[in-house]
Amino acid sequence: NAGVTQTPKFRVLKTGQSMTLLCAQDMNHEYMYWYRQDPGMGLRLIHYSVGEGTTAKGEVPDGYNVSRLKKQNFLLGLESAAPSQTSVYFCASSRALGSVNEQFFGPGTRLTVL
Amino acid sequence: AQSVAQPEDQVNVAEGNPLTVKCTYSVSGNPYLFWYVQYPNRGLQFLLKYITGDNLVKGSYGFEAEFNKSQTSFHLKKPSALVSDSALYFCAVRDMIGSQGNLIFGKGTKLSVKP
Repeated sequence: NAGVTQTPKFRVLKTGQSMTLLCAQDMNHEYMYWYRQDPGMGLRLIHYSVGEGTTAKGEVPDGYNVSRLKKQNFLLGLESAAPSQTSVYFCASSRALGSVNEQFFGPGTRLTVL
Repeated sequence: AQSVAQPEDQVNVAEGNPLTVKCTYSVSGNPYLFWYVQYPNRGLQFLLKYITGDNLVKGSYGFEAEFNKSQTSFHLKKPSALVSDSALYFCAVRDMIGSQGNLIFGKGTKLSVKP
């Protein structure tokens, strides 16, 4: 099993450009999450999904959109990138509630917005 | 407001010595508490959790954590540190207010174990 995979691993954008980060999991998990990690701030939840076709906002959703068209995939979109979105993005999945069950994390995507 | 605090940005320990990484929390109700570890350029990995039961929880790689309700703490411990334990450690607590009960992460503590 590959676990949780993320593409791309690195990306540099110019302000105003758009991009989509892809997360895939092969563990048949119901729940999926997108976090951002910034120095000194830990992980902050952007959006999450409790099942195929459903998404919800987390702590810092502004400037991001998500979609969960297939159970195994969770996409994070930036419509108009801003320098404040420079960060490391992690996707995670869990069998059920991630606040009770272990979350499995991908390797991360390092995004720089110039 | 609900929160989790890791009061030390960095902990330095000599190999073979015991280590403690501190975590305190503030939530309503009974807390669900987690520790995750992040090695350089990797995603987070689950170490252990406390949901209910015995206050001393044992986890992966020889780590354990003690839940102390009166002190609202959940410190991570290991009797004998290894150089390979050097990593970033995150404490997390369940958001008891949100409908889905997502995790609230601390800011992380960098553990450095020297030979």
